[in-house]
Amino acid sequence: NAGVTQTPKFQVLKTGQSMTLQCAQDMNHEYMSWYRQDPGMGLRLIHYSVGAGITDQGEVPNGYNVSRSTTEDFPLRLLSAAPSQTSVYFCASSYSGVANYGYTFGSGTRLTVV
Amino acid sequence: SQQGEEDPQALSIQEGENATMNCSYKTSINNLQWYRQNSGRGLVHLILIRSNEREKHSGRLRVTLDTSKKSSSLLITASRAADTASYFCAMTTDSWGKLQFGAGTQVVVTP
Repeated sequence: NAGVTQTPKFQVLKTGQSMTLQCAQDMNHEYMSWYRQDPGMGLRLIHYSVGAGITDQGEVPNGYNVSRSTTEDFPLRLLSAAPSQTSVYFCASSYSGVANYGYTFGSGTRLTVV
Repeated sequence: SQQGEEDPQALSIQEGENATMNCSYKTSINNLQWYRQNSGRGLVHLILIRSNEREKHSGRLRVTLDTSKKSSSLLITASRAADTASYFCAMTTDSWGKLQFGAGTQVVVTP
């Protein structure tokens, strides 16, 4: 049982490049979310999904796209990277939503945009 | 703006001492959770307390919730060097349960 797996762990992009951050979980969790963590600001929600085929925007969705074609995978796409997207990105999953359960977090992807 | 604010921002104690950190929030919540983050790692869920609960325990952790004051506290008793980490409160305000995080308290426990 690997939990939540994020790849890559580190990435450097040039401004304007696009890329996909991968997230996979093997716990059959319905709920998955993407957060970004910036110094002194805690975590902010980018996008979330309550099940395969269902996604919605969080607090800071601009510049990011998501899709959820399977229960296991929830990739995050950066369309045209900007220096403001330099951050640590965390994917998280929960059995039935954090109203009743806590989230299991991945180990993060540290992204630098130059 | 952030839903949660934590106090203090940083805390330095010695092994064996208790560590207390507080979280205040702005609007009514469904539940409040505490997470730990070791340096360079992901967050680990510690404890969840529902809005109709006042206190919960888990091992050396004690969490209280006062909805009238919109505040919660996390107490770590008999701290260990391994407790060195950042601690975040997070709350849910809607039926789905999207989490909103505070900025965290950085705790350093020296042997």
